[in-house]
Amino acid sequence: EAEVAQSPRYKITEKSQAVAFWCDPISGHATLYWYRQILGQGPELLVQFQDESVVDDSQLPKDRFSAERLKGVDSTLKIQPAELGDSAMYLCASTTGDNEQFFGPGTRLTVL
Amino acid sequence: AQSVTQLDSQVPVFEEAPVELRCNYSSSVSVYLFWYVQYPNQGLQLLLKYLSGSTLVESINGFEAEFNKSQTSFHLRKPSVHISDTAEYFCAVSVSGYSTLTFGKGTMLLVSP
Repeated sequence: EAEVAQSPRYKITEKSQAVAFWCDPISGHATLYWYRQILGQGPELLVQFQDESVVDDSQLPKDRFSAERLKGVDSTLKIQPAELGDSAMYLCASTTGDNEQFFGPGTRLTVL
Repeated sequence: AQSVTQLDSQVPVFEEAPVELRCNYSSSVSVYLFWYVQYPNQGLQLLLKYLSGSTLVESINGFEAEFNKSQTSFHLRKPSVHISDTAEYFCAVSVSGYSTLTFGKGTMLLVSP
């Protein structure tokens, strides 16, 4: 069964360092999402891509976060510099637009 | 904008007992409704969804949810829970097939023997 892949699964970094997360959506899924899930909360959207274009990045803290999906397939989310409050689970999801989003296993980020 | 309220942060229940996890939503337009389940340190898995048609939807593992438009609710129920149902459950809404999901804060279902 096709799955959304994410790496790394866990990342520990010190504040002010740069981190990057990678996501490979299910083949053929044109729409890709990055969500952030703070402990004890539901996921919240950071950015949505349609192919290589950003559809919605209104909740992305652009002073430190960036996201790209250069060839419209896999995607990278970067944080520079990381802050203590960035500690969270970062989830990637993809869809064909048929009302079901498929989620990857997530990257658990801890900022010390 | 849409919002989702899950009133119970934690629901403890004994094995084989029935359970109901509550979800209410707010939206000025028609919505699609979802329940996702999340096991520790894993991503979210779709449990069931309401798009249109019959207001009662069922999952393959015995859960069901009923869409109630007048009460703006989409409560999740299971007549007899198992230990393996222990997980966090998220209710979510969207307004189209491509739109982002708006999630509630989640309900932790704790099933004990």
